[in-house]
Amino acid sequence: AQRVTQPEKLLSVFKGAPVELKCNYSYSGSPELFWYVQYSRQRLQLLLRHISRESIKGFTADLNKGETSFHLKKPFAQEEDSAMYYCALSGNGDYKLSFGAGTTVTVRA
Amino acid sequence: GAGVSQSPRYKVAKRGQDVALRCDPISGHVSLFWYQQALGQGPEFLTYFQNEAQLDKSGLPSDRFFAERPEGSVSTLKIQRTQQEDSAVYLCASSTQGGSQPQHFGDGTRLSIL
Repeated sequence: AQRVTQPEKLLSVFKGAPVELKCNYSYSGSPELFWYVQYSRQRLQLLLRHISRESIKGFTADLNKGETSFHLKKPFAQEEDSAMYYCALSGNGDYKLSFGAGTTVTVRA
Repeated sequence: GAGVSQSPRYKVAKRGQDVALRCDPISGHVSLFWYQQALGQGPEFLTYFQNEAQLDKSGLPSDRFFAERPEGSVSTLKIQRTQQEDSAVYLCASSTQGGSQPQHFGDGTRLSIL
């Protein structure tokens, strides 16, 4: 069975401070990991995926297979980063996504 | 269209009524997914289509839930004899193909069962 855990429901940081959203997963094979984001009054959209190894809007995430984690990080948070963030997993050769419960990030001025 | 379109945006029904939720995927997208999102939770997989073929319906919670995509484009999720626990946001997503391709989500239909 595959499972994604986001231990933090809420995360509040000051503008300019670093932010890290935790994501742990359980999966027996080689998963593909994603971060999706939902801004206020917008639809769920892909932020980044581990196979792309790119930085989007200043965010990065590294897949750590030893710790089964895929934490999302940004060195300097901006107010526009306030949103709901979901970590998601897709099994090797699979198509459906398994989501975590989400973390609400609030960036204060 | 510009993205995945879902209708209606909101649906209120009395317990026991049947409801139908519609999804218009991005033109040319082969894969279509339905997810259910309960309040305070992440989306949970319901079913998957590749073109008109329903390849996985393992996430459908009961036989009251039925989905179809007869022409490989628009899809309908039908819930019969609705119950209060069916209240949730139903999300549709499409992608160019299965596997690791990014899924593009619609705005969802918020279903409330009274």
